[in-house]
Amino acid sequence: KQEVTQIPAALSVPEGENLVLNCSFTDSAIYNLQWFRQDPGKGLTSLLLIQSSQREQTSGRLNASLDKSSGRSTLYIAASQPGDSATYLCAVPSNDYKLSFGAGTTVTVRA
Amino acid sequence: EAQVTQNPRYLITVTGKKLTVTCSQNMNHEYMSWYRQDPGLGLRQIYYSMNVEVTDKGDVPEGYKVSRKEKRNFPLILESPSPNQTSLYFCASSLNRGNQPQHFGDGTRLSIL
Repeated sequence: KQEVTQIPAALSVPEGENLVLNCSFTDSAIYNLQWFRQDPGKGLTSLLLIQSSQREQTSGRLNASLDKSSGRSTLYIAASQPGDSATYLCAVPSNDYKLSFGAGTTVTVRA
Repeated sequence: EAQVTQNPRYLITVTGKKLTVTCSQNMNHEYMSWYRQDPGLGLRQIYYSMNVEVTDKGDVPEGYKVSRKEKRNFPLILESPSPNQTSLYFCASSLNRGNQPQHFGDGTRLSIL
C-alpha cells in the first residue's frame, strides 16, 4: 500500500524567506506526483503535476522536484508572501487508479 | 468556467437519515472520485469511477454508495449515516488517470448527530 509522508507538519517563516516542503512515498512505481494548495474551508487547488519521467516542474515562484528512486519530492516556494499561507498537500496515484495523499504541511508566512 | 460543483456545501443531519451529496463537472472528464478529509488522517479515497457505469472502491468505502449514470455526475450516497461519517468530503475529476491533474470541488462539510 502506498504511504505518503509530509514533513514538517507545520512551518512558520517571515515574509521573503524561501520555503522548502518535503514529501516522501513508499512505492516508487508512480505515474506522477501532484502538489496541491488548500486554504481553510476551501477545496484543493492543483499547483504542479510532475510526470514520472520528469525531475522537476516550475510555475512562477514554485518549483517541484521529483526523485523516484529515493521516493521523494520537494516543493520550493521562493520569496514567500503572506498570501502563500495555506496547507500544501502532495499526492501520488497508484497503478489501480487510487490517489494517496500526505497529511499536508501547514505554512504560515508572517508579514 | 471549468469547475467541479458539490452540493450541499454544509449539512447537519441525524443518524440513519439517508442523504446524497451531488457532484457535477463540466469538463467532460472520464475519471471522478470521492474523498473524505479528517484531522490527523488526511485525505482518503472513498470511491472512484473510470467512466460511466464503471465504479470501484477506494480505501474507505464502508457505509457509502456511488453511481455514475452520466459522465458529468457522480453522487455520493449515505444510506444510513452514522456519527463516524462526520467529515469534510471532496469530489474530484480528471480527464483520465494517467498524466492529467485532478480538479477538486470546494468540499461538503457533513455533521451526523
